[in-house]
Amino acid sequence: QVTLRESGPALVNPTQTLTLTCTFSGFSLTTYSMCVSWIRQPPGKALEWLARIDWDGATYYKTSLKTRLTVSKDTFKNQVVLTMTNMDPEDTATYYCARTNSGNYSHDYWGPGALVSVSS
Amino acid sequence: ELVLTQSPGTLHLSPGERATLTCRASQSVSGHLAWYQQKPGQAPRLLIYGVSSRVTGIPDRFSGSGSGTEFTLTISRLEPEDFALYYCQQSRAFGQGTRLEIK
Repeated sequence: QVTLRESGPALVNPTQTLTLTCTFSGFSLTTYSMCVSWIRQPPGKALEWLARIDWDGATYYKTSLKTRLTVSKDTFKNQVVLTMTNMDPEDTATYYCARTNSGNYSHDYWGPGALVSVSS
Repeated sequence: ELVLTQSPGTLHLSPGERATLTCRASQSVSGHLAWYQQKPGQAPRLLIYGVSSRVTGIPDRFSGSGSGTEFTLTISRLEPEDFALYYCQQSRAFGQGTRLEIK
C-alpha cells in the first residue's frame, strides 16, 4: 500500500526558509522510474507544480522558483525534503507531495497535504 | 512554457446527465495528459493518465480522449459523488480547473 505524508511548520515568518518533509511507504525511490513531486495549492486556487526528484537523484524545478527551491531525498528513511527560501505571504498554500511516474508524468498517489501560512 | 486552459470554468449539470470537460494546450503535447478529481479538503485523485487510461478502481463512466492540443474528460452519467473540481495536467503544467456543480 502506497502512502505519503507531508510534515513541517504550519506557520512561517516572511523571509524565513520553509522545510517540508515527505515521508512515504509502499515504494522505493531507488526503483527505476519512481519519482516524488511537490505541488502546492493556494487557498481557492489551482494546483502548481514545484519540483521533482527522481530515483537516480535527478532534480527538476519550476523555472520561476528555481532559485528558491531545493529538493533532496533520504532513501534509507524513505523521505523527500523540500526547502523553499525567502518565504512570502503569497507562498501561503497547501503543499502536497505525490508519487510521480516518470514515464507519463502522472501523480498517482498523493499525501493529504500540509497547509503552510506565511505571516508575521 | 506549456499552458493548459480548461473549459468551462464551471459546469452546472444534474445527476444522470453527461459531462464533457475540455483541456486545451498552448502547444502540441505528447500522450501524457492526465485528469484529476479534487473534493473539498482532499488531495487530488488521479482518474486518467496517458490521455485515456483509466486508473484501477475508477468507474468506467469516466473516459478520456483527445490528441495534439485538445483533450476531453467525459463522465457518461453523473453520480452525486462526481460533483467536484477537475484538473488536467501534462508534465509540469496544470490547468486552472473545471468545477462541476449540481444544477
